[in-house]
Amino acid sequence: AQTVTQSQPEMSVQEAETVTLSCTYDTSENNYYLFWYKQPPSRQMILVIRQEAYKQQNATENRFSVNFQKAAKSFSLKISDSQLGDTAMYFCAFMKQNTDKLIFGTGTRLQVFP
Amino acid sequence: DVKVTQSSRYLVKRTGEKVFLECVQDMDHENMFWYRQDPGLGLRLIYFSYDVKMKEKGDIPEGYSVSREKKERFSLILESASTNQTSMYLCASSLSGRGTYEQYFGPGTRLTVT
Repeated sequence: AQTVTQSQPEMSVQEAETVTLSCTYDTSENNYYLFWYKQPPSRQMILVIRQEAYKQQNATENRFSVNFQKAAKSFSLKISDSQLGDTAMYFCAFMKQNTDKLIFGTGTRLQVFP
Repeated sequence: DVKVTQSSRYLVKRTGEKVFLECVQDMDHENMFWYRQDPGLGLRLIYFSYDVKMKEKGDIPEGYSVSREKKERFSLILESASTNQTSMYLCASSLSGRGTYEQYFGPGTRLTVT
């Protein structure tokens, strides 16, 4: 069975600084997808970024980028130029190929301070 | 804009009551999901539906059932609510695409069983 581990329950960062959230996963699959979702306080969960395992290039979306290390089964999220609106719970998630079901980690609560 | 709505933001029920949580999506998505979110445990899949009247158990289906009579609506039923079902319940939907498409989440229902 696949598992997703987020070892940092809480993190904080000052506005405009860079922060990296860690995620590791365990799978015997070769083809899969990885995701970072963001859940702001009292607001709906939204997708931040997505990575296909067959792609070597790391995904980027504006200030958000990932460091995908397939051999190490590591998928960290880097947030550059942190903004107050980045304050949220961040979930790493895994999806096996040919399914539509996500397996989530336990989440990292990120607080951005002014 | 994809919209996923849930019938209640907050709900308080008594032990033994039958509870219905409703979810509606407006984007003609094939897939719909019910998750339970608990601190330190992340999101866990309760049930998944990939078509009308079709359902699949997730990781924690015990004590829950679901109904999908129409494509846009997916209901979660607690046949006899218990205090250990106090939690945040999130509904999500997605197109069917074997990992191609993101899941869109509703705002959540915080259920308290007393």
